[in-house]
Amino acid sequence: AQKVTQAQTEISVVEKEDVTLDCVYETRDTTYYLFWYKQPPSGELVFLIRRNSFDEQNEISGRYSWNFQKSTSSFNFTITASQVVDSAVYFCALSRIGNEKLTFGTGTRLTIIP
Amino acid sequence: SQTIHQWPATLVQPVGSPLSLECTVEGTSNPNLYWYRQAAGRGLQLLFYSIGIDQISSEVPQNLSASRPQDRQFILSSKKLLLSDSGFYLCAWSVGGASSYEQYFGPGTRLTVT
Repeated sequence: AQKVTQAQTEISVVEKEDVTLDCVYETRDTTYYLFWYKQPPSGELVFLIRRNSFDEQNEISGRYSWNFQKSTSSFNFTITASQVVDSAVYFCALSRIGNEKLTFGTGTRLTIIP
Repeated sequence: SQTIHQWPATLVQPVGSPLSLECTVEGTSNPNLYWYRQAAGRGLQLLFYSIGIDQISSEVPQNLSASRPQDRQFILSSKKLLLSDSGFYLCAWSVGGASSYEQYFGPGTRLTVT
């Protein structure tokens, strides 16, 4: 069985601070995909990133960066110099390669205080 | 480019009334389609997914059903709504085939059963 744990239910930081959202996963598969989604107040989930378990390189996209560590089964997401527009619920998800379904974590509500 | 539509955006229905939520995808063929429910302040629950016309898998026993009458149309229905059916319903699509591509979500329908 697969499981994704986002232990941080809610986080609040002051604007311009850096913030890291944790994601820990469990799977018996040796190959899998990991994802991050953003859900702003409007409700629509926005795809942010997909990472293949073969590729443990960290990824940076603007102010966003992702740290994938297979040894600790973690796929953490860091926002640098946070902005109010970053306020949202963030979901981490896991998928088996060859399977159409995603297993989502319960989400972390991030509030950026101006 | 691909777009996904859901309607209605909001709906208030009395207990015992029928339900029909519609989702359509444009700009792609033979997508995988998904229905999720998100209860207030909680994570995403996969309700149904479909890999093709009339090929639908149900993830949880419930008061709801799904149909896919056309390649890019996915409908969520109920004959008699329960109070527990209230929530935010999200439709999503992914590239067809069991390749674990990311899912792209629609704007959602907020359903309140009174």
